[in-house]
Amino acid sequence: ILNVEQSPQSLHVQEGDSTNFTCSFPSSNFYALHWYRWETAKSPEALFVMTLNGDEKKKGRISATLNTKEGYSYLYIKGSQPEDSATYLCASPPNAGGTSYGKLTFGQGTILTVHP
Amino acid sequence: EAQVTQNPRYLITVTGKKLTVTCSQNMNHEYMSWYRQDPGLGLRQIYYSMNVEVTDKGDVPEGYKVSRKEKRNFPLILESPSPNQTSLYFCASSSLAGLTYEQYFGPGTRLTVT
Repeated sequence: ILNVEQSPQSLHVQEGDSTNFTCSFPSSNFYALHWYRWETAKSPEALFVMTLNGDEKKKGRISATLNTKEGYSYLYIKGSQPEDSATYLCASPPNAGGTSYGKLTFGQGTILTVHP
Repeated sequence: EAQVTQNPRYLITVTGKKLTVTCSQNMNHEYMSWYRQDPGLGLRQIYYSMNVEVTDKGDVPEGYKVSRKEKRNFPLILESPSPNQTSLYFCASSSLAGLTYEQYFGPGTRLTVT
C-alpha cells in the first residue's frame, strides 16, 4: 500500500490567519494528486487534481502546489475563515498504469479549526 | 442536478444478515468506487470499477462484493456482515478512469452491525 501522509494531523488558527499543510507521497511512479475538503456531516468535495510537477492551482483563497520530484504537495489557505473549518484530505493513485490503475490511497487528513 | 446517491443513509443490522447498499450516479461517469471511513484510519478504498463489468479490489475488499451491470449503478454487497464492518461508507464517481479527474462523493451510509 502506498503511504500518503499528511501533516499536521490537526491545526487551530484564528480567523484571518493564513495557514498551510502538507501531503507527502512516494515520488516514484507519480500519477496524480487529489485534494478534497470534508466538512462535518457532509461528504468530501474536490478542491484540486494535480498532475504536473510544479503545478499550482487556486480556488478563491485556497491554493495548492505540487512537487513530484520530492513527493509533496502544499495546501495554502489565505485569510482563514470559520467556514474553512474542515478536514482536508489528499489522495494519490499508487502507480501510473499497471494492474492497480484505479486504486486511490488517501492520507489521514488534516483537521483545520478556524476560531472566530 | 448532477449527483451521486446512496441508499440507505443509515442502517443498523445484525451479524450475518446480507445487505446491499446502493449507489447511483447521473453524470454518465465511467469510474465508480467505494470507500469506508473509520476514525484514525482515513478513507480506505474497498472496490472500484473502471467501467461496466470491470471491477477490481481496493485496499480493503475482504467481506465485500460489488457489481457493475449498468454504468450508473455500483451496489456494495455485504454477504455476511460482521461488527468490524461497522463504518461510514462513501460511494464516489469520476468522469474518466485514470484518476486524473476529481471524484464526486455520495452523501454516505452509516452502517452499524451488532
